[in-house]
Amino acid sequence: EPEVTQTPSHQVTQMGQEVILRCVPISNHLYFYWYRQILGQKVEFLVSFYNNEISEKSEIFDDQFSVERPDGSNFTLKIRSTKLEDSAMYFCASSDAQYGETQYFGPGTRLLVL
Amino acid sequence: AQSVTQLGSHVSVSEGALVLLRCNYSSSVPPYLFWYVQYPNQGLQLLLKYTSAATLVKGINGFEAEFKKSETSFHLTKPSAHMSDAAEYFCAVSERNTPLVFGKGTRLSVIA
Repeated sequence: EPEVTQTPSHQVTQMGQEVILRCVPISNHLYFYWYRQILGQKVEFLVSFYNNEISEKSEIFDDQFSVERPDGSNFTLKIRSTKLEDSAMYFCASSDAQYGETQYFGPGTRLLVL
Repeated sequence: AQSVTQLGSHVSVSEGALVLLRCNYSSSVPPYLFWYVQYPNQGLQLLLKYTSAATLVKGINGFEAEFKKSETSFHLTKPSAHMSDAAEYFCAVSERNTPLVFGKGTRLSVIA
């Protein structure tokens, strides 16, 4: 069964460093998403991506964040200069239609900023 | 804006007992409603979804949920809990052109 994969599973970084979180969505999906979950809090939407551009982003997704689909399979989230409050579980998801349709989630990357 | 409230951050049931996980939503238009489950060290897996068809929705692993517009609820049930049901359960809502909005999750423990 096709699945969304994410690497790395865990990442520890120093405050101010850049991190890139990687995702491989399901191959025939067209819509890609990033969500995050700070420990003990809700899963929150960050950004959606379609046709090589951002289709929607939340208030959380500020200039420190960027997304890219560098090739036909990967979908990345970059945090330019990490802050302590960026520590969270980051989930990638994909779907074959926007919203209303099932989003398939990866296992997540746990990011710890020290 | 839509929102989701899950009552009870932790629910504990005996094996074989009824599972009831509560979810109330707020939406200005007819919503799409979802239940996801997260097993330890795994991603979010869709259990079931409501997209304006039948109000009683059946999902995987014997779970079902009923959409009640008058109560703005979408509670998740399973007649008989199994040890393998122990996980974190998330209710989520979206509207036609909006991202998923999640509740805080309910951790289900199953006692032998």
